[in-house]
Amino acid sequence: EAAVTQSPRNKVAVTGGKVTLSCNQTNNHNNMYWYRQDTGHGLRLIHYSYGAGSTEKGDIPDGYKASRPSQENFSLILELATPSQTSVYFCASGVGRGSSAETLYFGSGTRLTVL
Amino acid sequence: GDSVTQMQGQVTLSEDDFLFINCTYSTTWYPTLFWYVQYPGEGPQLLLKVTTANNKGISRGFEATYDKGTTSFHLQKASVQESDSAVYYCVLGDRGNQGKLIFGQGTKLSIKP
Repeated sequence: EAAVTQSPRNKVAVTGGKVTLSCNQTNNHNNMYWYRQDTGHGLRLIHYSYGAGSTEKGDIPDGYKASRPSQENFSLILELATPSQTSVYFCASGVGRGSSAETLYFGSGTRLTVL
Repeated sequence: GDSVTQMQGQVTLSEDDFLFINCTYSTTWYPTLFWYVQYPGEGPQLLLKVTTANNKGISRGFEATYDKGTTSFHLQKASVQESDSAVYYCVLGDRGNQGKLIFGQGTKLSIKP
């Protein structure tokens, strides 16, 4: 069954440390997204990609980088983690671009705590 | 800019009660509106979508329509069950945002057995 898999499920990091969150999808979708989920804010878009080798900034990109080395994999990188980045992070894949509002397929999330 | 607002942060009902959740949206384009549902420990998943104003989306006993005049979008179910306990997100997608989705703040639905 097609799926979006995130790793790790839980992560504890120290302030100033580097954190990499990984996402793999078997949907063969061109588009992939990283969101963070915080109470009172819903899901907010951090970075996204329309294909291998491309990344775009979302609505809240500061403090985050993204990497899309292949169709299947999309990583979110926190070079210098801060406590304000403590959150639950979701990866999603989808098809459609431009005029088509697409359906997204989400992973189960990574809970990140920065101490 | 485009936005979605869900005023009901939490709703508590009893089994077999009627559910009505409302949100408002703002966009200058032609929207597609979605309801996503998130069960505990999982990521959000599509519940239903509505591409045209006043048309009805139906899925798993839930219904949704949006009203372009009042820029409101609602989700309803005639008789909720305990298994419907989840967070429900109103989501806006439109051509002006290159199809990218904007999520509302979410409504947590709790069902008392």
